[in-house]
Amino acid sequence: KQEVTQIPAALSVPEGENLVLNCSFTDSAIYNLQWFRQDPGKGLTSLLLIQSSQREQTSGRLNASLDKSSGRSTLYIAASQPGDSATYLCAVFFGNEKLTFGTGTRLTIIP
Amino acid sequence: DAGVIQSPRHEVTEMGQEVTLRCKLISGHNSLFWYRQTMMRGLELLIYFNNNVPIDDSGMPEDRFSAKMPNASFSTLKIQPSEPRDSAVYFCASTERQGRNGGYTFGSGTRLTVV
Repeated sequence: KQEVTQIPAALSVPEGENLVLNCSFTDSAIYNLQWFRQDPGKGLTSLLLIQSSQREQTSGRLNASLDKSSGRSTLYIAASQPGDSATYLCAVFFGNEKLTFGTGTRLTIIP
Repeated sequence: DAGVIQSPRHEVTEMGQEVTLRCKLISGHNSLFWYRQTMMRGLELLIYFNNNVPIDDSGMPEDRFSAKMPNASFSTLKIQPSEPRDSAVYFCASTERQGRNGGYTFGSGTRLTVV
């Protein structure tokens, strides 16, 4: 069964710190992996998309990496800000026409 | 591009009433997905379409739920009759080439409350 896991479920860090969110998946035969952000009561905003042939993608203070062999992806957030507080979801496209979501990590940045 | 557009943003209805949720895809996208999100169950895929054709509706909870895609850019999700346990946020998402090329783009969702 193709599964996506995100640990921890919740994380609190002081403002200004760098942090890493983790995502693991059970099947290395993926097409791509996407990181989303969801604010309370809002929709999902796409942050970064990594194709299976790529090792990482960067956007501003965000950097996502992909290691297919180990079934892992990380989302690195540099110099965290209170505005980064949200739930971060990892989603994997295994090529079976469905996007499989992790359960998310709820991030709180403490001012 | 205005992105994936969902309407209404909020819907409050009485149990037993028919509810219709609407979604407009991004131009050029040919795959459409309906999700439901609750605190208890997270994001659940209800049904998805490729090129207007329903491919997998195994996530549709009951026969009370139905979805259509009358043309390449528009879809509806209908619940008839609605029940309180249908209360959730319903998202639609679209992508190109079944997600193999680009990623998924989500709409802002419809928050449904059935009382």
